[in-house]
Amino acid sequence: AQSVTQLDSHVSVSEGTPVLLRCNYSSSYSPSLFWYVQHPNKGLQLLLKYTSAATLVKGINGFEAEFKKSETSFHLTKPSAHMSDAAEYFCVVSDWRGNDMRFGAGTRLTVKP
Amino acid sequence: DTGVSQDPRHKITKRGQNVTFRCDPISEHNRLYWYRQTLGQGPEFLTYFQNEAQLEKSRLLSDRFSAERPKGSFSTLEIQRTEQGDSAMYLCASSLDGRGVNTEAFFGQGTRLTVV
Repeated sequence: AQSVTQLDSHVSVSEGTPVLLRCNYSSSYSPSLFWYVQHPNKGLQLLLKYTSAATLVKGINGFEAEFKKSETSFHLTKPSAHMSDAAEYFCVVSDWRGNDMRFGAGTRLTVKP
Repeated sequence: DTGVSQDPRHKITKRGQNVTFRCDPISEHNRLYWYRQTLGQGPEFLTYFQNEAQLEKSRLLSDRFSAERPKGSFSTLEIQRTEQGDSAMYLCASSLDGRGVNTEAFFGQGTRLTVV
């Protein structure tokens, strides 16, 4: 069985400062890991994914995440926040075939001007 | 539009009524998932199809819920005798089989159900 824990329910940053959204996972298998973003009244959009290739994964809009097996973590980062980054972010784990996808509870990112 | 399509986008129903939602996945995607999302929570897995076969059902899916995917294309999710606790956003997603690297799921905009 898979599960994810998003360590912060709400993160607030100032525009132009770095973003760190934390995610720890638990998996019985070699996992695939994803970050999705959900803007208000919009569908879930894939930011990036890890599927056992490079441990540092680059996604859209300047986001990246690093898979650390020893720490069972997959934290999402961005060097400089933009106002348009304000949204809900979900960390997702599945097995390597994409089965059994499980979402974290989400982290709401607020970006202050 | 080649994305995942869900219909209707919004549904208001009276308690005790039956409702049915439809999901049209991305063409050639052989996997289809249903999730439920309540306010302030992450999506919760309900069920999943590989082609027309329903491979897994969550404990959240009581016997009032049924999902089908005839012919392995579109899917329907039916809720019988709706309860106020069923009020939520119902999300559908589709993906390719995970033998390769195409394992990410593409989500539809969801169907928001309100039971009054």
